[in-house]
Amino acid sequence: GAGVSQSPRYKVAKRGQDVALRCDPISGHVSLFWYQQALGQGPEFLTYFQNEAQLDKSGLPSDRFFAERPEGSVSTLKIQRTQQEDSAVYLCASSHGRGNQPQHFGDGTRLSIL
Amino acid sequence: GENVEQHPSTLSVQEGDSAVIKCTYSDSASNYFPWYKQELGKRPQLIIDIRSNVGEKKDQRIAVTLNKTAKHFSLHITETQPEDSAVYFCAGSGNTPLVFGKGTRLSVIA
Repeated sequence: GAGVSQSPRYKVAKRGQDVALRCDPISGHVSLFWYQQALGQGPEFLTYFQNEAQLDKSGLPSDRFFAERPEGSVSTLKIQRTQQEDSAVYLCASSHGRGNQPQHFGDGTRLSIL
Repeated sequence: GENVEQHPSTLSVQEGDSAVIKCTYSDSASNYFPWYKQELGKRPQLIIDIRSNVGEKKDQRIAVTLNKTAKHFSLHITETQPEDSAVYFCAGSGNTPLVFGKGTRLSVIA
């Protein structure tokens, strides 16, 4: 497809379970970003990849959050031992080049922790 | 780090009127300022962006202005239509990742 694709669209998990969220960026886009969006708030930065290198993970809230992009294309955000406060929409965005380039978002994964 | 403040949080206008949303930023190193439109349950969509070497940019009914000295930038929508109703986010970045404002819920009343 032409846009950023995320799966699943919705994920419900019990507290303590591990979850994995997938992002397929726009083909050829070098940069990939993960954001967390709480209800009624703006997206908050989690982590940034340039190709397969994770250049910034300063926004990850705890060591339960882990992201990877092993081949420089698809990325996975993993959350271990989920907590209720992890409930949010997780957005992925990609951009063509390095630095400050327009970012194009996916539809997000709405994660609900029971 | 960067801090972006956005006002107002909600805005209602009559169809055909103009809407203005204002943002301020704290980091003088910031040089890229995009605006996103997000409809309920949908992805944020980039509608316009501006870089710090430009004071104003226009795209049909949408314009953005930037005042680097005062560290503020604004989104202007003219001749509003019901389909402009959405939440709008400003953002800024320089040497740091994009930092978003808290959003403005725009309602265009027919």
